[in-house]
Amino acid sequence: EVQLVQSGAEVKKPGESLKISCKGSGYSFTSYWIGWVRQMPGKGLEWMGIIYPGDSDTRYSPSFQGQVTISADKSISTAYLQWSSLKASDTAMYYCARLPTFDPWGQGTLVTVSS
Amino acid sequence: DIVMTQTPLSLSVTPGQPASISCKSSQSLLHSDGKTYLYWYLQKPGQSPQLLIYEVSSRFSGVPDRFSGSGSGTDFTLKISRVEAEDVGVYYCMQGIHLPRVTFGGGTKVEIK
Repeated sequence: EVQLVQSGAEVKKPGESLKISCKGSGYSFTSYWIGWVRQMPGKGLEWMGIIYPGDSDTRYSPSFQGQVTISADKSISTAYLQWSSLKASDTAMYYCARLPTFDPWGQGTLVTVSS
Repeated sequence: DIVMTQTPLSLSVTPGQPASISCKSSQSLLHSDGKTYLYWYLQKPGQSPQLLIYEVSSRFSGVPDRFSGSGSGTDFTLKISRVEAEDVGVYYCMQGIHLPRVTFGGGTKVEIK
């Protein structure tokens, strides 16, 4: 079964750093792009960026360029999304999904940033 | 970026009745390879989105045949022939013609009367 499993919920303070993960299984992890999607509370879906784990080629949505870093470790079939300095406005659910059809999706990681 | 506009914003449907959601793109989603990269997803309450329809009209594995997609170019429609209680949630269209620059529609919330 093709599956993406994300790391658990996080509660952080503004200014802290964070790295969340998305582990793929059941398929060749290095052969498919992985995308990250943000969903702010009560809002819609926003594409953040994608990575090709085979060679770590990474592309960002202009809205998120410079705000987050996407990476991958193909040796453990895991993609990452990280922040160096969180803001309250980063509070959201974050999903990973396999391209090109955005299927499957991970179960989501809820990130709460609050002082 | 391509803008995806969904209507209506919300829909209240009696079980067994049909429902229809429209999605319009600001540019044609017909690729030079002949495929049209328009997708439909359903996000059930408290869950991750799930793929329903890919390339306008192809039902994804396991999706009931009461769901159908149609359209071309810039105008697309998702139809549910007979809504069931399990169909509640938010439906999103998404364009994938210019990977990696995908964009989602704003979503249509479907609820049961």
